[in-house]
Amino acid sequence: NAGVMQNPRHLVRRRGQEARLRCSPMKGHSHVYWYRQLPEEGLKFMVYLQKENIIDESGMPKERFSAEFPKEGPSILRIQQVVRGDSAAYFCASSPPGTARNTIYFGEGSWLTVV
Amino acid sequence: GENVEQHPSTLSVQEGDSAVIKCTYSDSASNYFPWYKQELGKGPQLIIDIRSNVGEKKDQRIAVTLNKTAKHFSLHITETQPEDSAVYFCAANDSGGGADGLTFGKGTHLIIQP
Repeated sequence: NAGVMQNPRHLVRRRGQEARLRCSPMKGHSHVYWYRQLPEEGLKFMVYLQKENIIDESGMPKERFSAEFPKEGPSILRIQQVVRGDSAAYFCASSPPGTARNTIYFGEGSWLTVV
Repeated sequence: GENVEQHPSTLSVQEGDSAVIKCTYSDSASNYFPWYKQELGKGPQLIIDIRSNVGEKKDQRIAVTLNKTAKHFSLHITETQPEDSAVYFCAANDSGGGADGLTFGKGTHLIIQP
């Protein structure tokens, strides 16, 4: 896990507020992935990004969720108007460019609690 | 898309014994199969992976086997130790679309009894 930095580690939001989760990939990695983990469940793919591009967002809910990975700065997962069902652990992962990009490394996660 | 099934959901073994966790996948085009270990409150940590051009890979007490014909792969941990207690996830890459993402199993909670 060393190298993929996520913050905040824990976030509490009231229903209707916005949550912003940040992820800095490992040095030299240009691919970023976001996964969601519900209690007692596996990791669900949400979105795959490269710098300034969303490559695949097939796992993202159609509304309220968005992600970006700007040219400068961390990747951001944004959840608008949060609801209780958004409470989960959100993991960011990164991988290097090239043919080995399936080897992904996870951060320590951001735990979102909606009250 | 890919579908990954993982069994058992919970596995309890005596310290020193071996543990085996099994996964099946649906997409015959998948060619990359990693295993992750997740401790409580932490992120998943890659422990071993295998690509479809090999049938077995070993790293000290951990080994992974792959049967592409049957579309299943397994994690073997020998001489288990208390620190092996964690949740283990298998995954397979999703060859569809442009995802290059991983589809995960639901995890196995491995408990090492002292």
